[in-house]
Amino acid sequence: GAVVSQHPSRVICKSGTSVKIECRSLDFQATTMFWYRQFPKQSLMLMATSNEGSKATYEQGVEKDKFLINHASLTLSTLTVTSAHPEDSSFYICSASRQPNQPQHFGDGTRLSIL
Amino acid sequence: GEDVEQSLFLSVREGDSSVINCTYTDSSSTYLYWYKQEPGAGLQLLTYIFSNMDMKQDQRLTVLLNKKDKHLSLRIADTQTGDSAIYFCAESQSGAGSYQLTFGKGTKLSVIP
Repeated sequence: GAVVSQHPSRVICKSGTSVKIECRSLDFQATTMFWYRQFPKQSLMLMATSNEGSKATYEQGVEKDKFLINHASLTLSTLTVTSAHPEDSSFYICSASRQPNQPQHFGDGTRLSIL
Repeated sequence: GEDVEQSLFLSVREGDSSVINCTYTDSSSTYLYWYKQEPGAGLQLLTYIFSNMDMKQDQRLTVLLNKKDKHLSLRIADTQTGDSAIYFCAESQSGAGSYQLTFGKGTKLSVIP
């Protein structure tokens, strides 16, 4: 199968802290990774599309300086929430696909809670 | 723009069949997907269908696509309590080569023992 690992699964930290979330494709190389945010009982909202070796493409309304994305290798993308505040508390999910036209496989998500 | 609609809730008895419906608006959709999300977890890809197919069956899961009506359904045969979850319908198009997904709001399936 296609396994995507996301770490950490849960983070609780104080306001002003920067938090890094990792997304790894374990058994395939992912040319494209996606970062989503999910609010309680809501659908997934795409934040950005990350292609290996190039800058991420952010969706409208998503602050690129707030949510830093790095896709340095074909198996790893990271999302850093900089200077996190309580309103950044959410469930963040990554996905990865082998090729742009292949299905996306999702990580288990990261529950971020900012106090 | 793209829009994907699903009913929010479905309740079935264990052993019965479940049918989850989805409608979409973008006629250029390339692939249509069904994902399952259990509480506190990410999304699990259940199955997907290419837009030139009418039906796809995989064990207990049957996907039907009516491209004319832009209607997608997921049938789960012999529904079990472990099938209780939220099911998301999603579509992708090849615009800009990124094949981004557009999700419905999800259907919460409750299985009554």
